[in-house]
Amino acid sequence: AQTVTQSQPEMSVQEAETVTLSCTYDTSENNYYLFWYKQPPSRQMILVIRQEAYKQQNATENRFSVNFQKAAKSFSLKISDSQLGDTAMYFCAFMAAQKLVFGQGTRLTINP
Amino acid sequence: NAGVTQTPKFRVLKTGQSMTLLCAQDMNHEYMYWYRQDPGMGLRLIHYSVGEGTTAKGEVPDGYNVSRLKKQNFLLGLESAAPSQTSVYFCASSNSRASNYGYTFGSGTRLTVV
Repeated sequence: AQTVTQSQPEMSVQEAETVTLSCTYDTSENNYYLFWYKQPPSRQMILVIRQEAYKQQNATENRFSVNFQKAAKSFSLKISDSQLGDTAMYFCAFMAAQKLVFGQGTRLTINP
Repeated sequence: NAGVTQTPKFRVLKTGQSMTLLCAQDMNHEYMYWYRQDPGMGLRLIHYSVGEGTTAKGEVPDGYNVSRLKKQNFLLGLESAAPSQTSVYFCASSNSRASNYGYTFGSGTRLTVV
């Protein structure tokens, strides 16, 4: 069974700083995908970024980037130039066979 | 462009009561899912469906039943609600290319069982 672990329940940084959220996973699959979802106070689940396991290049979406270390089974999210609107719960998720397995989440607060 | 719609958005039940949560999607997606979200535990899969007329158990199926009689609808039932089922419930859907796009989520149902 796949498991996803987010070891940081809460994080807090000042606006404009860079912050990195950690995620590790465990799987015996070779072909899988990794995602980061954002859940603001509105409760809506928003896809932030995705990574294909067979691609060595780290995914990037504007201020969001990942550090994917396949051998270490690590998938961290870096948010550059953080903004107040980045305040949210962030979930790391693993997908194999069309099913998403989520980590416990990290509550990120951006302070003005 | 409604996407995934969940009804109701909030509900309070007494222990032992029953209810059905409705999920409707208008994207012609094959796959549909029900998750529950609890503090410190992320989202956990309850049941899922890979097509009309099919259902399968997820990680935490006990106490829940589901049905997918129509492709666009996925119903989650609680036959005899318990306080441990107090949670936020999310429905999601995807097509066969979920690995490219992830899931489309509904806005959630907050259920309190007293």
